[in-house]
Amino acid sequence: EPEVTQTPSHQVTQMGQEVILRCVPISNHLYFYWYRQILGQKVEFLVSFYNNEISEKSEIFDDQFSVERPDGSNFTLKIRSTKLEDSAMYFCASSEERRGPNYGYTFGSGTRLTVV
Amino acid sequence: KNEVEQSPQNLTAQEGEFITINCSYSVGISALHWLQQHPGGGIVSLFMLSSGKKKHGRLIATINIQEKHSSLHITASHPRDSAVYICAVRPNTGNQFYFGTGTSLTVIP
Repeated sequence: EPEVTQTPSHQVTQMGQEVILRCVPISNHLYFYWYRQILGQKVEFLVSFYNNEISEKSEIFDDQFSVERPDGSNFTLKIRSTKLEDSAMYFCASSEERRGPNYGYTFGSGTRLTVV
Repeated sequence: KNEVEQSPQNLTAQEGEFITINCSYSVGISALHWLQQHPGGGIVSLFMLSSGKKKHGRLIATINIQEKHSSLHITASHPRDSAVYICAVRPNTGNQFYFGTGTSLTVIP
């Protein structure tokens, strides 16, 4: 069964450093998403991406965050200057269509980001 | 405001028991997702529903759109079913999912 692949599985970074989290969505999917889960809290939406641009974003997704699809297969989330409160599990997801019945919304297994 | 409530928050069951986890939401939705999260944190999709009922092995998911309610049932529960089960809904507008806080299930041998 096709998978959404995220790398690395765990990343530790110093406060103030830039991090890039990487995702390889399912190959025929067109919509891409990032979510995060702070330890002990619920999963929260960050951003959705379609046709090389952001289609929707939450209040969490401020100027410190950016997304990119650099090469047609990877989908990345960049945090420019990490803060302690950015420590969380970050999930990537992808889907075939935005609203169709068979849109195959699939989550990756996550990247645990620890900011020290 | 999109509220997703799950009950119970925590559930302990004996192996073999029939388990029900409930999810209620407050807005009209186009899809509901049941997911499983293991201690390592990774998420696995179990079901995506927009109406009716779906079954996969020992898992059954139902949804009642009019009552804004969904249930996840596990028949003949097993210790390997121990995990956090999360309900997420996608409202009729927008393409993001809103998540519940999860139900932590422990199945005792």
